[in-house]
Amino acid sequence: DAGVIQSPRHEVTEMGQEVTLRCKPISGHNSLFWYRQTMMRGLELLIYFNNNVPIDDSGMPEDRFSAKMPNASFSTLKIQPSEPRDSAVYFCASSPGLASSYNEQFFGPGTRLTVL
Amino acid sequence: GQSLEQPSEVTAVEGAIVQINCTYQTSGFYGLSWYQQHDGGAPTFLSYNALDGLEETGRFSSFLSRSDSYGYLLLQELQMKDSASYFCAYRDGGKLIFGQGTELSVKP
Repeated sequence: DAGVIQSPRHEVTEMGQEVTLRCKPISGHNSLFWYRQTMMRGLELLIYFNNNVPIDDSGMPEDRFSAKMPNASFSTLKIQPSEPRDSAVYFCASSPGLASSYNEQFFGPGTRLTVL
Repeated sequence: GQSLEQPSEVTAVEGAIVQINCTYQTSGFYGLSWYQQHDGGAPTFLSYNALDGLEETGRFSSFLSRSDSYGYLLLQELQMKDSASYFCAYRDGGKLIFGQGTELSVKP
């Protein structure tokens, strides 16, 4: 398996622009997670899905952030409008979604976002 | 409240043994996980302890004491490639809550 795939790997944009990050989870995994990592705040969970349904979006910082999972093999995280404080590395992770495997998540390579 | 605490930095020499501690506070507990992240890379799963005791995987071992709300990751025969950040995490429902991470520097 190719692992979790994220695109783009790097994104540089200007404040106010819309940013869309994409993720393809490992085939057969039922849970998908979006994280944001910064030096100041560490690794924060933004939202997670189970069987394509958003379960917990309490980590989404504000209404500028939205996430969708239209099918089992694709998810997007959108920021509109983007701000410089959104600059971070955004990781997508997936797991089989079984109770016995909740503790092992498989992370993608991340998208490094810079908002100027 | 819910929280995890681990040291921000640890330094050790090649060939030595190092222990990275993690204390947690949570109302519900389903086990403690450890992840490794090299600079610029993705976090990768190392180990998981559901019950008290020691779990060994090669040079890495992880320990849990639920009564003390405490765990640690033990790295033996340190190698330069072990220089990375190490995160402890506990499960909260279907999601993981990560600590702030411990940056391990291995010196020659």
